[in-house]
Amino acid sequence: QQQVKQSPQSLIVQKGGISIINCAYENTAFDYFPWYQQFPGKGPALLIAIRPDVSEKKEGRFTISFNKSAKQFSLHIMDSQPGDSATYFCAASTPGGSARQLTFGSGTQLTVLP
Amino acid sequence: DAGVTQSPTHLIKTRGQQVTLRCSPKSGHDTVSWYQQALGQGPQFIFQYYEEEERQRGNFPDRFSGHQFPNYSSELNVNALLLGDSALYLCASSWTGPNEKLFFGSGTQLSVL
Repeated sequence: QQQVKQSPQSLIVQKGGISIINCAYENTAFDYFPWYQQFPGKGPALLIAIRPDVSEKKEGRFTISFNKSAKQFSLHIMDSQPGDSATYFCAASTPGGSARQLTFGSGTQLTVLP
Repeated sequence: DAGVTQSPTHLIKTRGQQVTLRCSPKSGHDTVSWYQQALGQGPQFIFQYYEEEERQRGNFPDRFSGHQFPNYSSELNVNALLLGDSALYLCASSWTGPNEKLFFGSGTQLSVL
């Protein structure tokens, strides 16, 4: 059972534009929501993460918006650059264990055109 | 400071064979998690090791087993390989604790023919 649904599957944006990727979750026990960026041939790298006690978190050009009542969260990439072209994954996890066990979305392949 | 290193980078096996993948965590990290990433999909949690014991396990059959050594490095073993086991296998390391970030290696690409 997929617990984190991600959309769109692919996204094409012009340089300088805003990229928006959305995720929805079902498990209300999730308390940590990270976004990962993955380039071909590489492992995922943490971009930014949020906890449900805040509605927005910004780090540079990357912003997470979080809607607890709707059980949705999204990643906004401002002033998108060709170097941002990668696959982006949202994820979520519940507390407990010696380290986080992440449940990932299915990914969004972002292409930023020059 | 080396990050998470995995070996080998690529591996080709045939159905029914057994495979061992290896992971060295980022310096100072004591917890290792393994994920399976099928083509075009997000990573799926296999299991996690801390203090040389399996602490958490995802929805994977017993054909998937692991080990953690005293130096915190880890192995993932898969027995009786199936075609469906073809995937990128990712190792992630962290400090113990729910607030610690996971750092992923570049993975081992396993192809089962």
